[in-house]
Amino acid sequence: GESVGLHLPTLSVQEGDNSIINCAYSNSASDYFIWYKQESGKGPQFIIDIRSNMDKRQGQRVTVLLNKTVKHLSLQIAATQPGDSAVYFCAENRNYGQNFVFGPGTRLSVLP
Amino acid sequence: EAGVAQSPRYKIIEKRQSVAFWCNPISGHATLYWYQQILGQGPKLLIQFQNNGVVDDSQLPKDRFSAERLKGVDSTLKIQPAKLEDSAVYLCASSSHRGPRTDTQYFGPGTRLTVL
Repeated sequence: GESVGLHLPTLSVQEGDNSIINCAYSNSASDYFIWYKQESGKGPQFIIDIRSNMDKRQGQRVTVLLNKTVKHLSLQIAATQPGDSAVYFCAENRNYGQNFVFGPGTRLSVLP
Repeated sequence: EAGVAQSPRYKIIEKRQSVAFWCNPISGHATLYWYQQILGQGPKLLIQFQNNGVVDDSQLPKDRFSAERLKGVDSTLKIQPAKLEDSAVYLCASSSHRGPRTDTQYFGPGTRLTVL
């Protein structure tokens, strides 16, 4: 069935390095994407979003890239900090509906 | 602005027992969601309300799960009877979505359910 998935289940990076978390989606009708960060014992927290009419969007230390040709989404975190350690989920939304489909998540571990 | 509130935070029950979870969304948010998050997986939508009406409950196991949002504000999610595979974190989220454009969902801390 249609799904949102992630290439890497775990990612370890050195503090100060840049992190790249990838996500593949299968539904070409998806028009809105969100990255969430989930820390242990907490609900998902919104990081950044992007609509399908854009290829790139930047926030504070984060950048989301969208490649509609290959149905690929990535989250780049600059100068990764220990506080960035968490599980990161991408979620896709279709046709302005409110039903988001979440991927399985990538655990980011920041090494000192 | 207060966030999404959920209670209880933790619940342990035996299989075949009943359990209920409560959610209070962000004030003024018309849309409320319940998600099930099994350990190691992403959240899965169970049901979505717009005010007090159900928008999507296609993934809600209706033989055992029920949810209501009678006054368009607070919501309860019930499981009766519980099965072992219901062990998960139940997340509530809300958004101010009223029109055609999608709005960000804000999540509560979740209720961790363990079924023994």
